[in-house]
Amino acid sequence: KAGVTQTPRYLIKTRGQQVTLSCSPISGHRSVSWYQQTPGQGLQFLFEYFSETQRNKGNFPGRFSGRQFSNSRSEMNVSTLELGDSALYLCASTPGSRIGTDTQYFGPGTRLTVL
Amino acid sequence: AQSVAQPEDQVNVAEGNPLTVKCTYSVSGNPYLFWYVQYPNRGLQFLLKYITGDNLVKGSYGFEAEFNKSQTSFHLKKPSALVSDSALYFCAVRDETSGTYKYIFGTGTRLKVLA
Repeated sequence: KAGVTQTPRYLIKTRGQQVTLSCSPISGHRSVSWYQQTPGQGLQFLFEYFSETQRNKGNFPGRFSGRQFSNSRSEMNVSTLELGDSALYLCASTPGSRIGTDTQYFGPGTRLTVL
Repeated sequence: AQSVAQPEDQVNVAEGNPLTVKCTYSVSGNPYLFWYVQYPNRGLQFLLKYITGDNLVKGSYGFEAEFNKSQTSFHLKKPSALVSDSALYFCAVRDETSGTYKYIFGTGTRLKVLA
């Protein structure tokens, strides 16, 4: 099976712009989670989508949003970018049936730099 | 709220020596614990997990972890380190809040295996 893919791999934006990141899960996986990784904070959970519905949400401002399509592909959007949004954004997929005990399979990430 | 702590930012070990990467947790209820590894410019890869059963869990690439309930620890171990084990290691715990689930990650420990 193909792994989790994320596009684009690298992105440079300026403050105030918005950005959309894409994640394609492993075939058959219905859950997609998004994380923000920064050197000081480690991995911070953003949100999880399952069957096109947001099932869980972390403690991020409303500028961070996401959605999931019927084919389980997911997008994450960040509006009004700030310098502090510079990070590696990772998505992870699981089958979704065993909540909290499933092994997560991670994509390579999108490196976002905000200037 | 559930949490995990990785008390060491970096661990150095000589090739061929045993290695330990520490993780302690704080959960209410049964702990579901995970270890992941991240190589440069890559996403996280699953190593092993503890859900229930034997306290010694064996995982990928010769790694194992020991679940210790009295010390609330889940340390990652390997009998003989390889230079190729050099990477960033993350411990994670399932967080259940109000019937929803998400994963909480530690801040990571950088393992450096010296030839």
